[in-house]
Amino acid sequence: AQSVSQHNHHVILSEAASLELGCNYSYGGTVNLFWYVQYPGQHLQLLLKYFSGDPLVKGIKGFEAEFIKSKFSFNLRKPSVQWSDTAEYFCAVNAPNGNNRLAFGKGNQVVVIP
Amino acid sequence: KAGVTQTPRYLIKTRGQQVTLSCSPISGHRSVSWYQQTPGQGLQFLFEYFSETQRNKGNFPGRFSGRQFSNSRSEMNVSTLELGDSALYLCASSPRQGDEQFFGPGTRLTVL
Repeated sequence: AQSVSQHNHHVILSEAASLELGCNYSYGGTVNLFWYVQYPGQHLQLLLKYFSGDPLVKGIKGFEAEFIKSKFSFNLRKPSVQWSDTAEYFCAVNAPNGNNRLAFGKGNQVVVIP
Repeated sequence: KAGVTQTPRYLIKTRGQQVTLSCSPISGHRSVSWYQQTPGQGLQFLFEYFSETQRNKGNFPGRFSGRQFSNSRSEMNVSTLELGDSALYLCASSPRQGDEQFFGPGTRLTVL
């Protein structure tokens, strides 16, 4: 079974600081990788996804993530956060063999202080 | 396109009752998945339906069941409710398996 690990569940930082959230997964085969965000009072939205190709993917709102196959990692980054980035961030993995079963990490609660 | 819609948004039930939750996917999406979100366990996969067939099932007891209709709308049912079933139940749809899933706002179920 796939499992996904996210560390540092609570992150507090000031505006303009850089953000990096780690994501590691345990699955030996080919995977599709996602980062979702849940803003306060809103539903889960996709930030970015990786299926294949360039391991550095860019998403919405200035976020990017890098897939490192050898480390089973898919870390999320943003060079300069804004107060509006306060949200919970979830990493998710699924196997692309006709499987729609997303395995989620526990999430990172990010608070950006103005 | 309209997003994924879920009804009702909030439900309060008592132990032993049963409940049915409904999900309407984005038009044209044939895959519908259900997830349970709790503070302790996070987001856990319940099951997935594609073209009216259950394709995947998570590690939940048989009290949790679902179905999908020919118009891709889906329902999930929980029988003999327990206090631990209190959670946010999320529905997600995608155009094909393995692709991005679009989530609805969820149904907040409280079991007293």
